Amino acid sequence: SSELTQDPSVSVALGQTVRLTCQGDSLRRYYASWYLQRPGQAPVLVIYGDNHRPLGIAGRFSASNSGDTSSLTITGALAEDEGDYYCSSRDPVENHYVFGSGTTVTVL
Amino acid sequence: QLRVSGPRLVRPPATLSLTCTVSGGSVSSPSDFWAWIRQPPGKGLEWLGTIYYTGSASYNPSLNARLSMSIDTSRSQFSLGLTSVSAADTAVYYCARHIVVPAALMFYLDDWSQGALVTVSS
Repeated sequence: SSELTQDPSVSVALGQTVRLTCQGDSLRRYYASWYLQRPGQAPVLVIYGDNHRPLGIAGRFSASNSGDTSSLTITGALAEDEGDYYCSSRDPVENHYVFGSGTTVTVL
Repeated sequence: QLRVSGPRLVRPPATLSLTCTVSGGSVSSPSDFWAWIRQPPGKGLEWLGTIYYTGSASYNPSLNARLSMSIDTSRSQFSLGLTSVSAADTAVYYCARHIVVPAALMFYLDDWSQGALVTVSS
C-alpha cells in the first residue's frame, strides 16, 4: 500500500519542541518529503531526502527515519510555524506518488 | 517561477485544461520533472501526475482514465487535461517542479506555483 498516515492535529507551546510523524510502507524504501502549507498559501518544501533543508528553511526543522515512519521535528516552535504539514513519498512498486492526509500544527 | 493559467470555471462534463508556464528556467532540463497537484476546498493535497521533458508521464491511478499531460519545451510550458469533470473536481490546482532521484531514494516538489481555484459548476 502507498498510503501515508499522519495525525490530524497537534499543538505546541511557543518555543517548545514538537514531533510530527508519517507512517507508510513506502517509507521502508524511500525517504519522505515534508511540506508546510500556511493558510491561503501554496505548500513550501521544508525537508527532503535524508534530513536535507532547502535554502531559506530554518534549522529548527529536522527529520529522522526509522522503519516505516518518518518524523519531522520542530525545535523551538515559532508562531510562523503554524499551518498544515504534509508528508509525501513514492509508491514502492508503481511509478506514482502520494501525500499524507496532513497534520495541523497550532502554536499556543 | 511557475504560473498556472486557464479557465477558472468549467461546466460539467467538459474538460478542464490548465497550463503551467515556467519562467527563469527550462522544462527541458534533464534533471527536472514537472507535476500537477490539487487540493479540494478544506481538504488535503492530491498528486495528479508528473511529466518529463521527453513527454513521458505518470498519473494518479484513481484518475488515470481521465487525465492527460503534455509538455511544450519551446514555450517552457506543461499542461493538464482532465475530462468529464464533476463538482468533485473543484479544487485549487498547483503545478510544481518535481525532483526525482531514485538512486538517492528521494522525490520532492521544490518549487510550487500559486494555486488556481477551478470551480466545476453548471
